[in-house]
Amino acid sequence: EPEVTQTPSHQVTQMGQEVILRCVPISNHLYFYWYRQILGQKVEFLVSFYNNEISEKSEIFDDQFSVERPDGSNFTLKIRSTKLEDSAMYFCAVQGTSGRDLRETQYFGPGTRLLVL
Amino acid sequence: AQKVTQAQTEISVVEKEDVTLDCVYETRDTTYYLFWYKQPPSGELVFLIRRNSFDEQNEISGRYSWNFQKSTSSFNFTITASQVVDSAVYFCALLANFNKFYFGSGTKLNVKP
Repeated sequence: EPEVTQTPSHQVTQMGQEVILRCVPISNHLYFYWYRQILGQKVEFLVSFYNNEISEKSEIFDDQFSVERPDGSNFTLKIRSTKLEDSAMYFCAVQGTSGRDLRETQYFGPGTRLLVL
Repeated sequence: AQKVTQAQTEISVVEKEDVTLDCVYETRDTTYYLFWYKQPPSGELVFLIRRNSFDEQNEISGRYSWNFQKSTSSFNFTITASQVVDSAVYFCALLANFNKFYFGSGTKLNVKP
């Protein structure tokens, strides 16, 4: 499996503050994803990113959210003005490329637990 | 529309029992993939198995096996001789359009010693 790390592992922030969640895939991947899991609920798709562009986004991914891959390595999710309901676990995922990784399979990072107070 | 349903919210078994987790999916796509992921208490999502829509052959991998039935749109997952370390939330997921996953609501498995 490709190694995907996420930082920070936990973040506590005040409502209205901006947060940036980071994902660092250790391999050459083209497709990146962000998912969200509110405590006790299912994992929900936020956005997919390919070739430095958003390829698809869900209705959850409103103007408060943005993604970018500024340095060709880190893949970030920014929430401009956090709300209480943004409290969740945020997962980054990469799609397998070839070889030992299965294509059409998404491998998830360990997640960032965000708490908005 | 794409949808994944896991009707079992929580299952409790005693160690060494076999347990089957149910998954029913909906999609209009003819090409799709089905997955099972495990989420232990630590929170990460661990890939377990994958099946594509063209291959209904059921397989066994160690203590894991799965039963893919296109006729009933089901993709059930069985753990044989369950162990305490199998305790986790298990998610079934559908990949359609080769892009985003649709997850079920998860089944919490409690394996008691």
